[in-house]
Amino acid sequence: QKEVEQDPGPLSVPEGAIVSLNCTYSNSAFQYFMWYRQYSRKGPELLMYTYSSGNKEDGRFTAQVDKSSKYISLFIRDSQPSDSATYLCAMRLTGGGNKLTFGTGTQLKVEL
Amino acid sequence: DSGVTQTPKHLITATGQRVTLRCSPRSGDLSVYWYQQSLDQGLQFLIQYYNGEERAKGNILERFSAQQFPDLHSELNLSSLELGDSALYFCASSVGGGGMDGYTFGSGTRLTVV
Repeated sequence: QKEVEQDPGPLSVPEGAIVSLNCTYSNSAFQYFMWYRQYSRKGPELLMYTYSSGNKEDGRFTAQVDKSSKYISLFIRDSQPSDSATYLCAMRLTGGGNKLTFGTGTQLKVEL
Repeated sequence: DSGVTQTPKHLITATGQRVTLRCSPRSGDLSVYWYQQSLDQGLQFLIQYYNGEERAKGNILERFSAQQFPDLHSELNLSSLELGDSALYFCASSVGGGGMDGYTFGSGTRLTVV
């Protein structure tokens, strides 16, 4: 079983929809949680960075962490075709360098 | 442009060969990370260097090695290549070595072993 599980999709939604992307994890020692966006043939780009449980909002993006359930989410409001990409969750422990453990990514397509 | 430069962008080589991938971090970043991305495994951490020294190691094969030079650029050496080594190899950099740093990734090197 992988430490971080993520539904690979693909997920197809109409423009303007609210998108919900999720990851579950098994290691309760993970403390820092991130979401990356990766366009085809590009490197991942950091979208959101949160510490421990709670919500964080940045424009159309909201990240949620529920450590009791070992579950993190990314919500995208008013989705746009330019949001079409693969979304990767990532997390790390406290200490021990800065190694990130990634989910395998969810492919999102926002259609006109 | 993320500021992290990886060369070459594409590499095709034969089994048994050795290749070197190069990474220049963003200006001011002291940490360099190497990741392998394959379709079935996703992004897998290989190794981290901080200011020239190895800081953390993942499931990096013995056939693979890396180093970070005094000018902070890094090289990943892959030897005795196998078909299964075909993947995207990403370099990332961050300011610190273990704090609340998000990474900045380069655009990757696509390695194809034939």
